[in-house]
Amino acid sequence: NAGVTQTPKFQVLKTGQSMTLQCAQDMNHNSMYWYRQDPGMGLRLIYYSASEGTTDKGEVPNGYNVSRLNKREFSLRLESAAPSQTSVYFCASSTYSNQPQHFGDGTRLSIL
Amino acid sequence: AQSVAQPEDQVNVAEGNPLTVKCTYSVSGNPYLFWYVQYPNRGLQFLLKYITGDNLVKGSYGFEAEFNKSQTSFHLKKPSALVSDSALYFCAVRVVNTDKLIFGTGTRLQVFP
Repeated sequence: NAGVTQTPKFQVLKTGQSMTLQCAQDMNHNSMYWYRQDPGMGLRLIYYSASEGTTDKGEVPNGYNVSRLNKREFSLRLESAAPSQTSVYFCASSTYSNQPQHFGDGTRLSIL
Repeated sequence: AQSVAQPEDQVNVAEGNPLTVKCTYSVSGNPYLFWYVQYPNRGLQFLLKYITGDNLVKGSYGFEAEFNKSQTSFHLKKPSALVSDSALYFCAVRVVNTDKLIFGTGTRLQVFP
């Protein structure tokens, strides 16, 4: 039972490069989320998708785009990476609001 | 605005002693509250939640949390700490009428042998 799978696990980019972080869940969850984790700041929501075909901005969406490709997959794209986007990125999924979110193991992204 | 606060960056406790990790929240309406744990190089793992009902909630690995509406708190507790409990702990509150969570900044628990 894989749960939430994120790829890649690590990535180093140069400023201005683009990349897409992939996330897939096999729990038939409706909602999916992208967070970034920075020291001393906890987790901050970047984008959120309540269902296939819908996306919504979170707390820190600038510099990112997302695609909810189908119910299973939710990707995060950095069009022009900046050093301020160096972070650990987590994808999560959930069913209903009274149920916990399930997290992947993260993508550690460094932008030079 | 809804928010959650974890006032301690780090909590140190000796193995075998009781532990408490503090969390306070601000939310309109009835809160949905969660505790998660994060081990190094891993994602967050769910520990327990309060939705409604008994104020004392029991969760995974022997952890429990006490919901206190008058003090707007949801402190995480364990009667006897283990070295293996050393990790980063996050409190979270659901944003009303959404599936989104707001997370605290995290508390690092260090249990010493």
